Amino acid sequence: SQKIEQNSEALNIQEGKTATLTCNYTNYSPAYLQWYRQDPGRGPVFLLLIRENEKEKRKERLKVTFDTTLKQSLFHITASQPADSATYLCALPPGAAGNKLTFGGGTRVLVKP
Amino acid sequence: GAVVSQHPSRVICKSGTSVKIECRSLDFQATTMFWYRQFPKQSLMLMATSNEGSKATYEQGVEKDKFLINHASLTLSTLTVTSAHPEDSSFYICSARDSGSVTYEQYFGPGTRLTVT
Repeated sequence: SQKIEQNSEALNIQEGKTATLTCNYTNYSPAYLQWYRQDPGRGPVFLLLIRENEKEKRKERLKVTFDTTLKQSLFHITASQPADSATYLCALPPGAAGNKLTFGGGTRVLVKP
Repeated sequence: GAVVSQHPSRVICKSGTSVKIECRSLDFQATTMFWYRQFPKQSLMLMATSNEGSKATYEQGVEKDKFLINHASLTLSTLTVTSAHPEDSSFYICSARDSGSVTYEQYFGPGTRLTVT
């Protein structure tokens, strides 16, 4: 069966350091992968989309990599700030394309000043 | 940017009553909207895909007669929880895709906290 795994343990990190989150998937061949941020009691906010033919994508202090051989995406927050503290979710479509997404369990990040 | 609103943000209802939650795309048209529920410290679970002008597509295990979805226009989808029970208490979130976009990101509403007493 299809599975998306994110580290369920919270990631505690010192301000200014780089946070690295992992998203692993099995039994998927996604055309793209997305990352979202969710704050407590709020809906997720879209951050980045990376396509299967892209190795890396950047947006400000965020960097995402996508390795379709390893079936893994890495999400990096560089020069982390306390305001980056949130839960980060990866999401994939069920097949090569399609509207709906399946979300990983999310990883909570806590950036300490 | 694309904005999705939900109403109400919080609702408390008595067991056996029905509750309607509205999801609106404010500055774009959405032929497809999605309804999720989320339990504390868990991820989002897709309940159904709402299609404008046609019937919703429900995920396995979601009772379509209990969770009624109506997508009457390109900017509004509603979820009605019928005969609510305490186990229906959850955080319900909708999302929408911009029909005019070639990318696949979803824009989420702020969520509705439902408590059934």
